[in-house]
Amino acid sequence: DAMVIQNPRYQVTQFGKPVTLSCSQTLNHNVMYWYQQKSSQAPKLLFHYYDKDFNNEADTPDNFQSRRPNTSFCFLDIRSPGLGDAAMYLCATSRRTGAQETQYFGPGTRLLVL
Amino acid sequence: AQKVTQAQTEISVVEKEDVTLDCVYETRDTTYYLFWYKQPPSGELVFLIRRNSFDEQNEISGRYSWNFQKSTSSFNFTITASQVVDSAVYFCALSENPDSWGKFQFGAGTQVVVTP
Repeated sequence: DAMVIQNPRYQVTQFGKPVTLSCSQTLNHNVMYWYQQKSSQAPKLLFHYYDKDFNNEADTPDNFQSRRPNTSFCFLDIRSPGLGDAAMYLCATSRRTGAQETQYFGPGTRLLVL
Repeated sequence: AQKVTQAQTEISVVEKEDVTLDCVYETRDTTYYLFWYKQPPSGELVFLIRRNSFDEQNEISGRYSWNFQKSTSSFNFTITASQVVDSAVYFCALSENPDSWGKFQFGAGTQVVVTP
């Protein structure tokens, strides 16, 4: 039944050590999003893919990269995590059909940076 | 500028009380979409409802109801007879300009605490 899956649910990394978070979906949606959510804040969009087209938010640090090898999978790479990157990372998907479609979220990955 | 305002940071109620969450939005578009999401302590954002700007009908789904009023740019959410499982953060979101990809503008969220 799981529609948007994120692995791992919890990730611990060291300061400066690259880390990759993964997201997969069984909905066959053409759009996938990555959000960062810090404690007691709203989710903040980092970037999204519309099919293979990558769209970066203007204020997303260069330290964050993304890959979408196929429709089902999308990865978030943090090249050199800092203490300020500790957060919940949420993946979402939607089907863009001309009207704004609902975004469906995964359970998130909590990242801890030591 | 904040496009979605959820003025209530936290609401605490006793089980079986009703609770209403306020959401006020700002947009110049004539076509837009409004959403409510629930985020329980586990962290997943759970979709609750979507409403487009041309549909001002109020909606009831079980214990949940939504009041959309374009005249006051509000899209309020009421939980009737609250239960402990309703404890979560609730986010209101706005999506404008559906001819493009329609980025979500989230409100700051309202923490609902339901005690037995």
